[in-house]
Amino acid sequence: EVQLVQSGAEVKKPGESLKISCKGSGYSFTSYWIGWVRQMPGKGLEWMGIIYPGDSDTRYSPSFQGQVTISADKSISTAYLQWSSLKASDTAMYYCARQGGIQLWLSYWGQGTLVTVSS
Amino acid sequence: QSVLTQPPSVSGAPGQRVTISCTGSSSNIGAGYDVHWYQQLPGTAPKLLIYGNSNRPSGVPDRFSGSKSGTSASLAITGLQAEDEADYYCQSYDSSLSGSGFGTGTKVTVL
Repeated sequence: EVQLVQSGAEVKKPGESLKISCKGSGYSFTSYWIGWVRQMPGKGLEWMGIIYPGDSDTRYSPSFQGQVTISADKSISTAYLQWSSLKASDTAMYYCARQGGIQLWLSYWGQGTLVTVSS
Repeated sequence: QSVLTQPPSVSGAPGQRVTISCTGSSSNIGAGYDVHWYQQLPGTAPKLLIYGNSNRPSGVPDRFSGSKSGTSASLAITGLQAEDEADYYCQSYDSSLSGSGFGTGTKVTVL
């Protein structure tokens, strides 16, 4: 069974750094892209970027380029999304999802990680 | 700023048919890129509903169907049920973004 399990909810202060994770199982982790999606409170879905764990090829949405870093450790089948300096506007639910290709659909989703940034 | 536009809401009585439009442009749907649809029930992660314009993953009822024409796509729900009350999003690749874009989202209400 394909599963993506994300790390737990986080509460941080503005300016702090953060790295959340997404562990894949039940499939060949290095053979599928992992995408990250943001959903701000009461708002819609936003595609942030994508990584191919096989060779760490990474693409970012222009809206998120330079704001976050997407990475992966294929030895432990885990993808990451990180911030170096959080802002209150980063408060959102973040989902990872398996994507067959950059132009393809997100077939399996993680349960989401809620990030709250507040002073 | 979504690259795909959906109506904010649609509603229908149980048993009725509703459709949700997804309007794009020449850099996404109009360029020939496929459209995919997701259902998000309250408080849960999105779930793939339709992929490749009109294909249903295993387990998705055939009450859900998708189509695409020109720069737009549509999701139809026939025989509307109370459990279909959710938010629905379309998604397509956009060459101007060199990545995916989601629609603005549509809330379906069962009257």
